[in-house]
Amino acid sequence: QVQLVQSGADVKKPGASVKVSCTASGYTFTDYYIHWVRQAPGQGLEWVGWINPYGGATYSAQRFQDRVTMTRDSSISTAYLELSSLKSDDTAVYYCARRGNNWYADYWGQGTLVTVSS
Amino acid sequence: QSALTQPASVSGSPGQSITISCTGTSSDVGSYNLVSWYQQHPGKGPKLMIFEVSKRPSGVSDRFSGSKSGNTASLTISGLQPEDEGDYYCCSHAGNFIPFVFGTGTRVTVL
Repeated sequence: QVQLVQSGADVKKPGASVKVSCTASGYTFTDYYIHWVRQAPGQGLEWVGWINPYGGATYSAQRFQDRVTMTRDSSISTAYLELSSLKSDDTAVYYCARRGNNWYADYWGQGTLVTVSS
Repeated sequence: QSALTQPASVSGSPGQSITISCTGTSSDVGSYNLVSWYQQHPGKGPKLMIFEVSKRPSGVSDRFSGSKSGNTASLTISGLQPEDEGDYYCCSHAGNFIPFVFGTGTRVTVL
């Protein structure tokens, strides 16, 4: 069965960077895009960006474009999200999700809580 | 790109039907039949309930149905059950530069 397993919670200081991993299983990793979505405490969902594991192409929401780096290691079916210059309002649960056969997300990871605090 | 507008909360008694609206614009909901709906229980990741306006993934109960008219999409839950409690988010494609725009979220309470 399809599973996306994310790395554990992390605490960072303002200005630092964080890297979240998402390991896929149960399907061919390079066949489906991975999206990243975040959810601030008590708030709604916000799309961050996507990566195409086949060639590595990425695209992110305009507000993150200068701070986000998405990469993948296809040999271990893992996608990564790195966010730099962290601010307190980057505190959120970050989810990876597999894009289905069209513009929707059919499987989601369990989420990774990133806390930014001095 | 602004978030899609959903009611903050909707409630119903077991067995009843409820409908959650999701209002966007002609740039997102109105332009694409690419509305999806997600259920989220506390502390859990979202779960896909409806995709492409009205299609159900395998394993999702047929009590869940979706529709769209103009710039507004809707999710209907019929025969409401206690396990349907949670938060529901709509989502629409809004073009290649804005693949996903989410709704504000609706808390469903089973009375």
